[in-house]
Amino acid sequence: EAQVTQNPRYLITVTGKKLTVTCSQNMNHEYMSWYRQDPGLGLRQIYYSMNVEVTDKGDVPEGYKVSRKEKRNFPLILESPSPNQTSLYFCASSPRTGLNQPQHFGDGTRLSIL
Amino acid sequence: GQQLNQSPQSMFIQEGEDVSMNCTSSSIFNTWLWYKQDPGEGPVLLIALYKAGELTSNGRLTAQFGITRKDSFLNISASIPSDVGIYFCAGGPASGGYNKLIFGAGTRLAVHP
Repeated sequence: EAQVTQNPRYLITVTGKKLTVTCSQNMNHEYMSWYRQDPGLGLRQIYYSMNVEVTDKGDVPEGYKVSRKEKRNFPLILESPSPNQTSLYFCASSPRTGLNQPQHFGDGTRLSIL
Repeated sequence: GQQLNQSPQSMFIQEGEDVSMNCTSSSIFNTWLWYKQDPGEGPVLLIALYKAGELTSNGRLTAQFGITRKDSFLNISASIPSDVGIYFCAGGPASGGYNKLIFGAGTRLAVHP
């Protein structure tokens, strides 16, 4: 089954403790992206990647890092999480770069930073 | 940064009613997408629009890319209980190439049987 898998689905942690949210897709997609969803703000793009070793900032990249060493994986790293990063995070992928390609979303990761 | 104004924020309707929601922007967009999000899941693409004036249907859903390229609307006809969820518009701004996607804040739809 074609899917985008995020882990963990839920995480409660404390300020300053580094964490990584993994994202993996099994569709051989080139394009992957991370969003955060906050009430009243919709989804905002954090980082995206057009292919292996090619990443770029979205609208809200501060406090986040990403890497794309393999095509299928696109982890989101919070080096020193803070309470304002408490949010619902979505990873998405599409076959190629370009908005004419529908993005497939994972089921989300809810992070709470205390 | 660029923003999309999506309205209404929420709707509570009776089963069988038609629904209309829209997104507007002060900037020109190359692409308009409409997604639906069910509770506990990620957004799922409903309709994609690529040309100004384009009108596209997907079952009971119809969406249009505004002529000015600054707006789009989504209509749902004869709503049913499974239409419940959050509907998001998303646009690809003309100034952002083909990698940038901006989402509206969402319209939360509730359908009373």
